[in-house]
Amino acid sequence: ETGVTQTPRHLVMGMTNKKSLKCEQHLGHNAMYWYKQSAKKPLELMFVYNFKEQTENNSVPSRFSPECPNSSHLFLHLHTLQPEDSALYLCASSLSLFRLVDYNEQFFGPGTRLTVL
Amino acid sequence: DAKTTQPPSMDCAEGRAANLPCNHSTISGNEYVYWYRQIHSQGPQYIIHGLKNNETNEMASLIITEDRKSSTLILPHATLRDTAVYYCIVRVVGGSSNTGKLIFGQGTTLQVKP
Repeated sequence: ETGVTQTPRHLVMGMTNKKSLKCEQHLGHNAMYWYKQSAKKPLELMFVYNFKEQTENNSVPSRFSPECPNSSHLFLHLHTLQPEDSALYLCASSLSLFRLVDYNEQFFGPGTRLTVL
Repeated sequence: DAKTTQPPSMDCAEGRAANLPCNHSTISGNEYVYWYRQIHSQGPQYIIHGLKNNETNEMASLIITEDRKSSTLILPHATLRDTAVYYCIVRVVGGSSNTGKLIFGQGTTLQVKP
């Protein structure tokens, strides 16, 4: 248990569906992240939020829409996805960005395994 | 952030020390070396990090060369549960340049064998 939970753990959706992934952290952190891990590829950073404000969008297609209503929750809304979007989607959190300390490890959730048919 | 180079795979006998190398020859003075691992179908797990001194915690030891161009992660007594992909990452920490970004490479797949 890392203190970061993700639901659902597995999701199968059609290309016309709309679904949402949820991430929740119980660590008192203020920075949250979405990563994508496709088969045989390294993890790719998608979005970064710090104190509920988006600080990074790594050229992610608009069919992925993040939402961060508070520092403990992060959502990834999905619509009109493509089969190549099938991947493991990982959420992570850390204390915060721009801290003047050398300690800002990221804690990862277990991921949501997404399959787009 | 600086690029790292790791061997794609390594084997280790159970109970023996696993030594995982990482080259980061272009590391800057304000970049730390971080190690994460990812056990199959799970999220990555933080292991250890360091700047220039050797570090040790309950999971592993990190040895950084004096010129900081390479490092070695040591798992002193590898178990079957240590089979995972190990990622070496260098990144700036602190200050306005800290975007929190972790850039993952392909990592080293460590297979611990009985």
